[in-house]
Amino acid sequence: EVQLVESGGGLVQPGGSLRLSCAASGFTFVNHWMSWVRQAPGKGLEWMANIRGDGGERHYVASVRGRFTISRDNGKNSLYLQMNSLRADDTAVYYCARYGAMATMGFDFWGHGTLVTVSS
Amino acid sequence: QSVLTQPPSVSAAAGQKVTISCSGSSSNIGNNYVSWYQHLPGTGPKLLIYDNNKRPSGIPERFSGSKSGTSATLGITGLQTGDEAEYYCGTWDSSRNSDWVFGGGTKLAVL
Repeated sequence: EVQLVESGGGLVQPGGSLRLSCAASGFTFVNHWMSWVRQAPGKGLEWMANIRGDGGERHYVASVRGRFTISRDNGKNSLYLQMNSLRADDTAVYYCARYGAMATMGFDFWGHGTLVTVSS
Repeated sequence: QSVLTQPPSVSAAAGQKVTISCSGSSSNIGNNYVSWYQHLPGTGPKLLIYDNNKRPSGIPERFSGSKSGTSATLGITGLQTGDEAEYYCGTWDSSRNSDWVFGGGTKLAVL
């Protein structure tokens, strides 16, 4: 059974940093692009970043480029999101999501999310 | 404001049919496959439709998808109270701002 379990969320002050983790199981992790998607309170889903299976290609939404870094450790079946220079509008539930066997399929499995609150 | 445009809400009676539209442009829907997601509070979204009109295993035939030009549509027949959720369309985008884009979401109410 495919499982994605996020952790690392919490309360952080503006300008601070946080590292989110996503533990993957039930599938061959290296074979899939992975992504982070967030949902701010009362808002819709927003794609943040993705990373190729071997980690050799990464892309970001413009609003987090230069502040967030997506990475993965295929030996540990884990996905990460390092978030720096956090702002109040980064407050959201952050989801780890797996792209399907073909990336065109979109996201076929999602975690339950971890809440990040940026506030003083 | 989302790159893909969806109606904020739709409603229909139990047992009836509803459609949810998703409008984009040539940089996204017009040249890429569309997927649809169901999102219930407190859970991760669930893939309902991929590659415009394909259903993952376990998704009932009541859910269908279509695409024409720069727009896509999700259809749900035989509405059930359990279908009350937020629904999102999504696709790849070739603009410089974002690889992947979602619609703003549509809240479905089953009367």
